Amino acid sequence: DVKVTQSSRYLVKRTGEKVFLECVQDMDHENMFWYRQDPGLGLRLIYFSYDVKMKEKGDIPEGYSVSREKKERFSLILESASTNQTSMYLCAAGDYEQYFGPGTRLTVT
Amino acid sequence: GENVEQHPSTLSVQEGDSAVIKCTYSDSASNYFPWYKQELGKGPQLIIDIRSNVGEKKDQRIAVTLNKTAKHFSLHITETQPEDSAVYFCAASRHGDYKLSFGAGTTVTVRA
Repeated sequence: DVKVTQSSRYLVKRTGEKVFLECVQDMDHENMFWYRQDPGLGLRLIYFSYDVKMKEKGDIPEGYSVSREKKERFSLILESASTNQTSMYLCAAGDYEQYFGPGTRLTVT
Repeated sequence: GENVEQHPSTLSVQEGDSAVIKCTYSDSASNYFPWYKQELGKGPQLIIDIRSNVGEKKDQRIAVTLNKTAKHFSLHITETQPEDSAVYFCAASRHGDYKLSFGAGTTVTVRA
């Protein structure tokens, strides 16, 4: 089974801080994804990467950027965190079947 | 883009009864429809999927049906058990496109 790990389960940051969320997969998948999960809205795709250094915007990329320097690692960056970015962030790897990490619950105060 | 609507948002069933969750989609080019289950404190996990060339698929107590004409698909769980309590998400994507559009989720509670 693919294992996807995320660097933190819980994170509290202040407004304006630069925030890095890290994701690592152990199964050599080309595709990696970042979603945010909010009650009543399901999972919404922020960014998608289909190869090292390759990325594609998802449905809600505003306020976020990503980095993929190595195949196994995909980072989500909040350049200047805002309170409306308080959410659960989920990383996934795979193709049609996506394997999710446990999520990072980010609170921006 | 694709819009996936999911109903109901919450569902409470007696243990042993059946549960049905319904989803509709807007993009007629969508042809892959997975269902994910998310248990408390965990990420979603794929439980079953269906492609547009198939009308129904079954795996033990879970089944999915697809009506391409009406653009809706459903998840059926029979003989529900306490471990079926979770949040369920439907999703859709186009052929060759790995980006999924998810529904809002259904919280299923199985009462003992």
